Amino acid sequence: RKEVEQDPGPFNVPEGATVAFNCTYSNSASQSFFWYRQDCRKEPKLLMSVYSSGNEDGRFTAQLNRASQYISLLIRDSKLSDSATYLCVRYGGSQGNLIFGKGTKLSVKP
Amino acid sequence: NAGVMQNPRHLVRRRGQEARLRCSPMKGHSHVYWYRQLPEEGLKFMVYLQKENIIDESGMPKERFSAEFPKEGPSILRIQQVVRGDSAAYFCASSPGTLTNEKLFFGSGTQLSVL
Repeated sequence: RKEVEQDPGPFNVPEGATVAFNCTYSNSASQSFFWYRQDCRKEPKLLMSVYSSGNEDGRFTAQLNRASQYISLLIRDSKLSDSATYLCVRYGGSQGNLIFGKGTKLSVKP
Repeated sequence: NAGVMQNPRHLVRRRGQEARLRCSPMKGHSHVYWYRQLPEEGLKFMVYLQKENIIDESGMPKERFSAEFPKEGPSILRIQQVVRGDSAAYFCASSPGTLTNEKLFFGSGTQLSVL
């Protein structure tokens, strides 16, 4: 089983739609999780950290389910500018090591 | 405050040549990380350095790859005798402290193409 696994998509949704991404991880000892966003051929940018209690930032909500070892990202009222690849990331424990999923591609259409 | 600076943005090498990728961390950041992204793949951790020290190189290929972060100047990722499989985007990131407490800031990457 891959360390961080995501549905590659693509998810094609109309503007205004609500879309949810899930990500599963294999290391139950993992403590820290993040969602990054990557536009085509550009660097990843931190979207939000993920906490057990769940956290919300505007139209974005992230949840962590430790019992089932998955995290989710919910995007409400999708905008065209949300089109990107969303990377699920867990902190690998060793000092420098973030473990990235392959990403889920989102395409928001007019 | 400039972000993480990487150069060159694009690098073309023929098989057998050497590739040198440079990374200047954000001002005030003393921790540098290198990641590689193969086409259609996720980012893979390569190496973590602090000034003059390699802290974790568990993701570095055993041969041909090396990294340094000297006291003065940028961090360098060096690939000797490049092969076509080295073609990828190489991202550098920096943080002011260890990742347990800090965010990671990425540079724009160097796209290496091996002919």
